[in-house]
Amino acid sequence: EVQLVESGGGLVQPGRSLTLSCAASGFTFDEYAMHWVRQIPGKGLEWVAGISWNRRFIGYADSVRGRFTISRDNTKNSLYLSMKNVRVDDTGLYYCVKDIDYDCTGGTCFALQVWGLGTLVTVSS
Amino acid sequence: QSALTQPRSVSGSPGQSVTISCTGTSDDVGLYFFVSWYQQRPGKVPQLIIYDVDKRPSGVPDRFSGSKSGNTASLTISGLQTEDEADYYCCSYAARYRGVFGTGTEVSVL
Repeated sequence: EVQLVESGGGLVQPGRSLTLSCAASGFTFDEYAMHWVRQIPGKGLEWVAGISWNRRFIGYADSVRGRFTISRDNTKNSLYLSMKNVRVDDTGLYYCVKDIDYDCTGGTCFALQVWGLGTLVTVSS
Repeated sequence: QSALTQPRSVSGSPGQSVTISCTGTSDDVGLYFFVSWYQQRPGKVPQLIIYDVDKRPSGVPDRFSGSKSGNTASLTISGLQTEDEADYYCCSYAARYRGVFGTGTEVSVL
């Protein structure tokens, strides 16, 4: 069974840093692109960042570019999101998501197939 | 990178069909055939129901169908069922390995 388990969320003050982790199991991790998507409880979804299977392609939402860094360790079946200089509007439930494909060169792109349960980040003083 | 525009809510009776629109720009929906749709029931994580505009993952009922014309993508639910009550979100690829979600639509079954 495919499983994605996020960790690292919590309460953080504005301007501080936080790193989220996602442990993947049940599939060949290094064959798929991965993403982070966030959601303020009761509100809509926002795509945050994505990384292709081999790290060749990496992208960020305008709202986080320059502050967040997505990375992956294929030897540890893990995805990460380093969050620096966090802001109050970064508050939300952060989902780790498996893509249906390895990147966008094979004819399929940004199909977010499997979602973790999320880890809650609260930015407040 | 503005959110794609969806109607706030749509409703229909059991057995009817409803269509949800998702309007973007010539830089996202209009340029790529990489539009996906997600169903999110209350308290649950989103579920992929359509990808690449009109493809259905295995296990998704064929009552769900997708299409695109110009800068607008659409999701149609045919033969509406009570279990279809949920929030629905579209998502489009938007160049430089970025994605953008729609504002979300609440579907009610009357």
